[in-house]
Amino acid sequence: EVQLVESGGGLVQPGGSLRLSCEASGFTISDYWMHWVRQAPGKGLVWVSHINRDGTMTNYADSVRGRFTISRDDARNTLFLQMNSLRPEDTAVFYCARGDSSGLGYWGQGTLVTVSS
Amino acid sequence: DIQMTQSPSTLSASIGDRATITCRASQSIDSWLAWYQQKPGQAPKLLIYQASKLESGVPLRFSGSGSGTQFTLTISSLQAEDVAVYYCQQYSSAPDTFGQGTKVEIK
Repeated sequence: EVQLVESGGGLVQPGGSLRLSCEASGFTISDYWMHWVRQAPGKGLVWVSHINRDGTMTNYADSVRGRFTISRDDARNTLFLQMNSLRPEDTAVFYCARGDSSGLGYWGQGTLVTVSS
Repeated sequence: DIQMTQSPSTLSASIGDRATITCRASQSIDSWLAWYQQKPGQAPKLLIYQASKLESGVPLRFSGSGSGTQFTLTISSLQAEDVAVYYCQQYSSAPDTFGQGTKVEIK
């Protein structure tokens, strides 16, 4: 059974950092493009970043480029999102998702990041 | 970046009605479009991929059509369990942008 479990969210002050993790089971993350998507409270879905199968290509939304870094640990079958210089507008539920030519077929349950003083 | 525009923002229809949501891309995305359903407190769920292919396990009352810049999600006979927010997403080129969402309600 495919499962994605995010962790690492919490309350952080503006300017602070957090690292989100997404532990995958039931498949090998290096066989798929892996994505982060966020959703601010009461708002819509916003794509954040993705990493390709061999880890050689990453892309970011303009709003996070230069502040967020996506990476993965194949040995642990885990995806990460390092978030630096956090802003109040980064407050959101962050989802990891598995992607392929069929779109984002599997999603985690999400982890809440709150940026506030 | 490719912009995705959904309409309407809210759709109110009766049980058994046909419900149609439209998504327009700011440039051609061929058929690289997906539709997702999100119910309150839940993660999004993939319904349709490559514009018209039904994800396994999704009820047959859901269908997708279109290519290029104009796309449609149709619910042929609206059911109470279809109350949700629906999003389109293009995955033709990064960033993989979402539409702003359409809230479907029962009249």
